[in-house]
Amino acid sequence: AQSVTQLDSQVPVFEEAPVELRCNYSSSVSVYLFWYVQYPNQGLQLLLKYLSGSTLVESINGFEAEFNKSQTSFHLRKPSVHISDTAEYFCAVSQANFGNEKLTFGTGTRLTIIP
Amino acid sequence: EAGVVQSPRYKIIEKKQPVAFWCNPISGHNTLYWYRQNLGQGPELLIRYENEEAVDDSQLPKDRFSAERLKGVDSTLKIQPAELGDSAVYLCASSPTSGNEQFFGPGTRLTVL
Repeated sequence: AQSVTQLDSQVPVFEEAPVELRCNYSSSVSVYLFWYVQYPNQGLQLLLKYLSGSTLVESINGFEAEFNKSQTSFHLRKPSVHISDTAEYFCAVSQANFGNEKLTFGTGTRLTIIP
Repeated sequence: EAGVVQSPRYKIIEKKQPVAFWCNPISGHNTLYWYRQNLGQGPELLIRYENEEAVDDSQLPKDRFSAERLKGVDSTLKIQPAELGDSAVYLCASSPTSGNEQFFGPGTRLTVL
C-alpha cells in the first residue's frame, strides 16, 4: 500500500515570488508520481508526472518537480507564480510497472496568490 | 477530443433517498474509475473497471453503493439509500489500456440533507 503526505494545507504567496509545495510518499514498491491541479468547480488536471528516467520533470506552464528516492519526496516548485496559479494542488502515487493502477492522493495544498 | 463527461454536476437529496451518477469516458479508454472526494481531502478510489469487469471494488461500500458498466463504455454509480456522510464530490476518470495517466471529469457534487 502507498500513502502520500502533503504537510502544507494552505500556502499563500505573493505574485511573482517563488513557491514550493511539499510532497512525501511511503511505499514498499516502486511508484509513479503525479501532481494534479484542481481549479474551482473543475475536475483534476494532470500537471506533471514522473514514471522513469530524469528525476526532474517539467510542465508547460513553468512548474517543475524533482523525484528524490532517498528522501521519498516529489516537491513541486515554480520560480515565479501568477494569479492564475491559484488552485488546489494534489500529489498522487500509483504502483509502478502495473498499468492503470489506482491513484493514492494526498490531502491537497491550496495555493493562494496575493497580488 | 471530448473529455470525460459526468452528469449531473450537482445533486441535492434528502437522506434515505436514492441517487445515481453517470459517466461517459474518453472514447477508446478501456479503464474507468470512480473516486469520492470528501471536503478538504484528496480523492479516494471506489471502483475500477477494465472494460465491463470491476477489477478493484474493495473500497466500495457494497451495502448501499452499486456500479455498473454494462457495455464497457459509460458507467453509472448508485447510492441507495443515501446517508448524510455521503455528501462529497464523485469523480469519474478514464485511461487507455496501456496508459499511466488518468483523465478526470468535472465531478458530481452531492449534498445529502
